[in-house]
Order: sequence, then C-alpha cells, then structure tokens
Amino acid sequence: DVKVTQSSRYLVKRTGEKVFLECVQDMDHENMFWYRQDPGLGLRLIYFSYDVKMKEKGDIPEGYSVSREKKERFSLILESASTNQTSMYLCASSLQGLEQYFGPGTRLTVT
Amino acid sequence: AQTVTQSQPEMSVQEAETVTLSCTYDTSESDYYLFWYKQPPSRQMILVIRQEAYKQQNATENRFSVNFQKAAKSFSLKISDSQLGDAAMYFCAYRRNTGNQFYFGTGTSLTVIP
Repeated sequence: DVKVTQSSRYLVKRTGEKVFLECVQDMDHENMFWYRQDPGLGLRLIYFSYDVKMKEKGDIPEGYSVSREKKERFSLILESASTNQTSMYLCASSLQGLEQYFGPGTRLTVT
Repeated sequence: AQTVTQSQPEMSVQEAETVTLSCTYDTSESDYYLFWYKQPPSRQMILVIRQEAYKQQNATENRFSVNFQKAAKSFSLKISDSQLGDAAMYFCAYRRNTGNQFYFGTGTSLTVIP
C-alpha cells in the first residue's frame, strides 16, 4: 500500500512564525502536491513538484514556498504565518498518469 | 482553465437506499481522467472510483458506480445499498491525460441516516 505521511496532525503557531509542514511518501512517486482545504472551497492547489528540485505554482501560492531535496519528501513552508493561513493542509503524491494518494492532513491554527 | 462543479453541498440518504452525487466539469480536452474521492470525518482521503474519458463503459467498484456523460460533461456517482460507513465528504476531480495537476470540486457532504 502507498503510504503518505505528514509530520503533524495538529499544529498551533503564532502570527509571524516560520512554519514547516513535512510530507513523506514511500512509493517512489515522481509527483507530489500540497493543497489547502477550506469549508465550501474544496481543495486548492498551492504547489506541486514533478521531480527533485522541481516545483510549479498552483492556484494559491502566495505566502507559501516549497522544497523538494529528495524524491520522497516535499516540504511546505510558510515564511511568516498569518491568521488567514489557518486551514487544513493536505499532501498527496502520484505516479505519472495515475491517481493521487493523500496524507492524513495537518490542521494548522495560526493565532 | 478546467473547473469542476459539485452543486450539492450536502446530501442525505437512508441506510440501504441509493443516492447519486452530481459533478460537472468544463474542459476543451478530449482525453482526460475523472475521479471520485471520499474523505470520512477526521480520516484520510481515499480514491473511490476512476473513469478514463476514452472508455465508454461506466466504471464500477462494488456498490459504487458512475454515470459518465462525456458530451454533457457530467460525472455522477451512485452509491447503492448505502451504509453508515459511507458517510463522508465526497470530492469529484479531473485531470488531463498529459498533465499532472488535478482539479477538485468543492465537495458534497453525505449523511447516512440509520
């Protein structure tokens, strides 16, 4: 079974803090994705990566950056957290051409 | 840009009954994939069913089946013999055949009434 793990299920940070969300997949998938999920808005793509050190902006990249130094790991970085970044963050991975597999999500609260 | 629309924010169904969740999408592509994902409360999102646009036959997975109408750009999910464990948020998703990016709808919250 494909396993996608995220470093934290729940996270509380203060405004202005730098926040790292980590995602690891164990199936050698080329593609990895970061979404945020908000009620009534569904899943919105922040960034995705199709190879090590490669990244592409999604629909809502503002305020976020990403890092992919190893194939299995994809990090989402909030350089200076703000209250409007309080959300559920979902990581996913996929092989080229196939469906996505999701992690359990990180519920981030910025106070 | 591709868009996926789920017009039913909430649905409910009696246990053992059948329910259909609607999804429409907008694309100019002829070759693409469509998916239904299930997200149970506080649990991981999982794939329910996948449909390739080039296949005319509707996909089926046990109690889950789709009604794929390519010309109408419609992709509905039918759940038969609904069970309490089917209660979840359901998301419809689209991906171009040659692309990596998935496009998700806003979701339908399904309640199963005992």
